[in-house]
Amino acid sequence: DQQVKQNSPSLSVQEGRISILNCDYTNSMFDYFLWYKKYPAEGPTFLISISSIKDKNEDGRFTVFLNKSAKHLSLHIVPSQPGDSAVYFCAATSGTYKYIFGTGTRLKVLA
Amino acid sequence: DADVTQTPRNRITKTGKRIMLECSQTKGHDRMYWYRQDPGLGLRLIYYSFDVKDINKGEISDGYSVSRQAQAKFSLSLESAIPNQTALYFCATSGPGGTGEIRDTQYFGPGTRLTVL
Repeated sequence: DQQVKQNSPSLSVQEGRISILNCDYTNSMFDYFLWYKKYPAEGPTFLISISSIKDKNEDGRFTVFLNKSAKHLSLHIVPSQPGDSAVYFCAATSGTYKYIFGTGTRLKVLA
Repeated sequence: DADVTQTPRNRITKTGKRIMLECSQTKGHDRMYWYRQDPGLGLRLIYYSFDVKDINKGEISDGYSVSRQAQAKFSLSLESAIPNQTALYFCATSGPGGTGEIRDTQYFGPGTRLTVL
């Protein structure tokens, strides 16, 4: 039973445009969400997070939106750059320090 | 120097062999984790440890065991490796966090690519 789902395995975007990566979850107990970026041959690195008490968190070019009623979060990257090409994982936790990850979306930013 | 290191980085072994993957961290974190990554399945939690005396099974612990030798070291063992354990394995740590808006984030090692023939 996949509690955290990323339904798009891949996404291609032109450089300078917006990239939108989506993530859905089923467990209403999740109250903290994270996005990680992973380059080939490296471990995932933390990108941005959001608590369930907020609906938006912004850090430079990266913004995460949370829609609790829809159990949906999205990561917006504006403007997209070729260096953003990577696999992006969303993750969720219910405060137990145990994290559930999605299956990942491979983003390719075309120059 | 990397904060979270994993050895070996690559390993090829045969069915039935016992192998150990090692993880060390210099971040001073209490919490450590082992994940495996498979294509199309994302990162799945194998075991996690909140301190030296606290070890817990994750989503897919069958066929694996762990040892927390010290705060900084967390090893994953495959007692009798089988081909469907071929995967990329990641160790991670997370530090003391609070509740509310800011919580722990996890720091991952570079991964171990394991092939079981």
